[in-house]
Amino acid sequence: NAGVTQTPKFQALKTGQSMTLQCAQDMNHNSMYWYRQDPGMGLRLIYYSASEGTTDKGEVPNGYNVSRLNKREFSLRLESAAPSQTSVYFCASRHLWVEKLFFGSGTQLSVL
Amino acid sequence: QQQVKQSPQSLIVQKGGISIINCAYENTAFDYFPWYQQFPGKGPALLIAIRPDVSEKKEGRFTISFNKSAKQFSLHIMDSQPGDSATYFCAARTATSNTGKLIFGQGTTLQVKP
Repeated sequence: NAGVTQTPKFQALKTGQSMTLQCAQDMNHNSMYWYRQDPGMGLRLIYYSASEGTTDKGEVPNGYNVSRLNKREFSLRLESAAPSQTSVYFCASRHLWVEKLFFGSGTQLSVL
Repeated sequence: QQQVKQSPQSLIVQKGGISIINCAYENTAFDYFPWYQQFPGKGPALLIAIRPDVSEKKEGRFTISFNKSAKQFSLHIMDSQPGDSATYFCAARTATSNTGKLIFGQGTTLQVKP
């Protein structure tokens, strides 16, 4: 039972570099989410996809883009990384009529 | 703009004691209040949740108390165990959509000493 799989687990970038965080779920969930976790700030929603083919901004979307590639996959792209984007990123998914969010194990990103 | 305020930021409790974490909100449109538990190196996982039509929900040693008039809710962990040491997040969701978007509190790091 893989659940929600995120890759990579760790990544170090230099300011201005770009990268894509990958997320895949095998639970046939409709909705997928990207959160970032920072000390003292809790989890903040970056982008979400309520269903395949749709994406919407969350609380902190600036500097990020997303792609809902298919029902299973939802990627997060940093076009020009900044030190303020140093964080732990979590992908989550949920079935349309169930409240529970299932989270991946996270990607720890460091931007120097 | 933090719509859900959580306290304390950290908590140390002796084994067998009661751990209490509090959350407050302003938006009266919130209709679902979950608590998530996160162990180091892992993603958060749903622990327990409540809706505002009840004042208390209990699952084993974990209880949510909900005060609608005060716009506050709290997590009580009875007979706290070292295995309960984790970070706990309260959250809230608005009733206006079925997008599942959750607003999280700042988190509380709980340490239970043996």
